[in-house]
Amino acid sequence: EAGVTQFPSHSVIEKGQTVTLRCDPISGHDNLYWYRRVMGKEIKFLLHFVKESKQDESGMPNNRFLAERTGGTYSTLKVQPAELEDSGVYFCASSQRTGRGYEQYFGPGTRLTVT
Amino acid sequence: GNSVTQMEGPVTLSEEAFLTINCTYTATGYPSLFWYVQYPGEGLQLLLKATKADDKGSNKGFEATYRKETTSFHLEKGSVQVSDSAVYFCALSDRGGGGADGLTFGKGTHLIIQP
Repeated sequence: EAGVTQFPSHSVIEKGQTVTLRCDPISGHDNLYWYRRVMGKEIKFLLHFVKESKQDESGMPNNRFLAERTGGTYSTLKVQPAELEDSGVYFCASSQRTGRGYEQYFGPGTRLTVT
Repeated sequence: GNSVTQMEGPVTLSEEAFLTINCTYTATGYPSLFWYVQYPGEGLQLLLKATKADDKGSNKGFEATYRKETTSFHLEKGSVQVSDSAVYFCALSDRGGGGADGLTFGKGTHLIIQP
């Protein structure tokens, strides 16, 4: 079974440009999450989808960030326009309910560098 | 708000040494607690979890006990190996969903095991 995949693995853009990150969850997982880790800081929750609906977007930093999950499958996270402080590693995770509750499976992350 | 505090690294130990990584938390309600591990070049993996007070999570020789009275979830292993070298993250989920909602992470502890 394929794990959570993210694309690209690394992106370098200039301030003011637009970048779109993609996450493909594990097949059949209704829950999809985005997190971000800024250098030296904690991994921060951004938002949570249940299928195509946003369950919780309380962690989204501002309106320059737009997340979508069309059809409840893959998700994209767009940053427009990018600022220097947006640099960091963006993680995606997915989960599904099991007999032991929920376990979030994480992708390898996308390292975003804004110069 | 919720928060997780864990000991700063790097923590350097010799092979077969005893390991403790401290983790304390602040949360409303009755959180679920997790330890995630990130091996070099890989995504985060769930190492163990506990969903209620006095529960003990265990996996791969690692253990952690949910201590509500001290709001702690310290990670222990009796004899570490070089292959345990990784970054360890303590995390919580505070809505009682056992991990269905977004996680709050600590900063991570980089563990280095020397042969």
